[in-house]
Amino acid sequence: DAKTTQPPSMDCAEGRAANLPCNHSTISGNEYVYWYRQIHSQGPQYIIHGLKNNETNEMASLIITEDRKSSTLILPHATLRDTAVYYCIVRSPTDSWGKLQFGAGTQVVVTP
Amino acid sequence: EAGVTQFPSHSVIEKGQTVTLRCDPISGHDNLYWYRRVMGKEIKFLLHFVKESKQDESGMPNNRFLAERTGGTYSTLKVQPAELEDSGVYFCASSRRGGNTEAFFGQGTRLTVV
Repeated sequence: DAKTTQPPSMDCAEGRAANLPCNHSTISGNEYVYWYRQIHSQGPQYIIHGLKNNETNEMASLIITEDRKSSTLILPHATLRDTAVYYCIVRSPTDSWGKLQFGAGTQVVVTP
Repeated sequence: EAGVTQFPSHSVIEKGQTVTLRCDPISGHDNLYWYRRVMGKEIKFLLHFVKESKQDESGMPNNRFLAERTGGTYSTLKVQPAELEDSGVYFCASSRRGGNTEAFFGQGTRLTVV
């Protein structure tokens, strides 16, 4: 069973913020939320992760709801190079990365 | 710091031949993982090394696949003999020891069996 639910696709205009939702209603207390993306056929690229506090780095911001049942990845100023499949992953620190489930992700298309 | 590197980037072989894929993890990363993405499907786990030991090989599809990580550095994944359904993109990832870590992926090897 998938631990996360994401919309299959979304479009975003270049220069605008892209807000990618993820539902993880069965998340456990020690599980982190990770975001990766895969551009075309390249290897998955790490974006950001968090436990319960909001996180920000040079790529994106991660907003986690207080009940931790959902989160939003924010790309503040989307560019054409942000077109990719974005994966939301829930993982416990004790889990091997081999246990993670990528799921289908959200296909984000950034348009000029 | 160099990332995870994989070689070759592409390989086209005939059914029945042997192919060996190589992965060089980030230096100092004890954990090394192999994944595979078959056309149109999700990325699936194959196996996990901790240093030179196989920690979990539950995702290996069959005994035609053999993975090694001698010395705990780079790893190889050999497919012998290759079948048509082995075609796909093979990804390698590595991570440090510890729980709150991220995995870094290589660019993958696209294998086509004809």
